[in-house]
Amino acid sequence: EAGVTQFPSHSVIEKGQTVTLRCDPISGHDNLYWYRRVMGKEIKFLLHFVKESKQDESGMPNNRFLAERTGGTYSTLKVQPAELEDSGVYFCASSHRTSGVTDTQYFGPGTRLTVL
Amino acid sequence: AQKVTQAQTEISVVEKEDVTLDCVYETRDTTYYLFWYKQPPSGELVFLIRRNSFDEQNEISGRYSWNFQKSTSSFNFTITASQVVDSAVYFCALSRGSGTYKYIFGTGTRLKVLA
Repeated sequence: EAGVTQFPSHSVIEKGQTVTLRCDPISGHDNLYWYRRVMGKEIKFLLHFVKESKQDESGMPNNRFLAERTGGTYSTLKVQPAELEDSGVYFCASSHRTSGVTDTQYFGPGTRLTVL
Repeated sequence: AQKVTQAQTEISVVEKEDVTLDCVYETRDTTYYLFWYKQPPSGELVFLIRRNSFDEQNEISGRYSWNFQKSTSSFNFTITASQVVDSAVYFCALSRGSGTYKYIFGTGTRLKVLA
């Protein structure tokens, strides 16, 4: 069974540009999460999808970030326009159950974003 | 508010030594879950263990063991007879038992096992 995949693995862009990150969850997983780790700090939650619906987006830093999950399969996270403080590693995770139980999340390898 | 503290930023040990990684958490919930993940140099977060707040039994899996103590709000991770392949960043995480399923992570502990 394939794990969570993320594309690209690295992205270097200039301030003001747009970047789109993609996450493919484990097949059959309805829950999809985005997290971010700024250098040296903790991994912080951004948002949670259940299928195509945003269940919790309390961690999204501002309206320059737009996450979508059309069709409830893969997800994209767009940053527009990118700022220097957006640099970090963006992790995607997925989990199976949708009932009221905290499930184990399986993480992808992350996308390292550098904004110059 | 929920919080996870991993006070050890970096630990270096010589191969075959035992090492304990500390994790202290804060929560007001009675139902919650604790996790450990390993991040090897390749970058992905590898799931190691999940423990719910009602299960205080310690767990052993090969060279790995976990000590969950609610009285001290700690969920420590011990590697016995460490190996070079254990070198990685280890993250402890906390999640509520209901309502929201996001994880609260600690800042991670970098473990270096020297040959």
